[in-house]
Amino acid sequence: QVQLQESSPGLVRPSQTLSLTCTVSGGSISSPNYYWSWIRQPAGKGLEWIGRIYTSGSTNYNPSLKSRVTISVDTSKNQFSLELSSVTAADTAVYYCARDAYYSFYIDVWGKGTTVTVSS
Amino acid sequence: NFMLTQPHSVSESPGKTVTISCTRSSGSIASNYVQWYQQRPGSSPTIVIYENNERPSGVPDRFSGSIASSSNSASLTISGLRTEDEADYYCQSYDNSDHHVFGTGTKVTVL
Repeated sequence: QVQLQESSPGLVRPSQTLSLTCTVSGGSISSPNYYWSWIRQPAGKGLEWIGRIYTSGSTNYNPSLKSRVTISVDTSKNQFSLELSSVTAADTAVYYCARDAYYSFYIDVWGKGTTVTVSS
Repeated sequence: NFMLTQPHSVSESPGKTVTISCTRSSGSIASNYVQWYQQRPGSSPTIVIYENNERPSGVPDRFSGSIASSSNSASLTISGLRTEDEADYYCQSYDNSDHHVFGTGTKVTVL
């Protein structure tokens, strides 16, 4: 079955750019049936959708983060990536990558999540 | 954009039934599918209901979903409550620009 694994940058300095990669195994990122999403969760808080990308490169972003977010896809490596610029302590969270059903907008596969801390 | 508001917490005894509400702040709850996710401590979320009332394979039929236009809300009902149901539960929908929106989350405690 499909599995997703986030890379783990761990610590990011304030004002820098957070970069994460999600590797998809057990299935193709080029499947026409799915988008690929990023979601985050600050410690003890709820889930926040960051954005998603289709195999074609088409993207949707959370309006509240849009000015700082870039999501890209590399079909040759079966990976997709997140860049979040100008980070602050408020961006400290567990970041999940996930598979997103194209027609019904539900997330059926989640990665294990990776903790990103923004601190000097 | 709209918000999805859930009760902060609910609790009930084993074997009983709990219902979690998810109220949409603007626009019709029936306009876009609602999903429900379970998140146990230290784990990633997993889907328990999709498309308002559909159960993925492997999810017990003790879990059911519904929507009510009268209250502009969705509900997740867990019957025959078990200790393993103790978790956080999130509803999720999307807007007409295909942006996902998550609910505020509900902690279910099995007494």
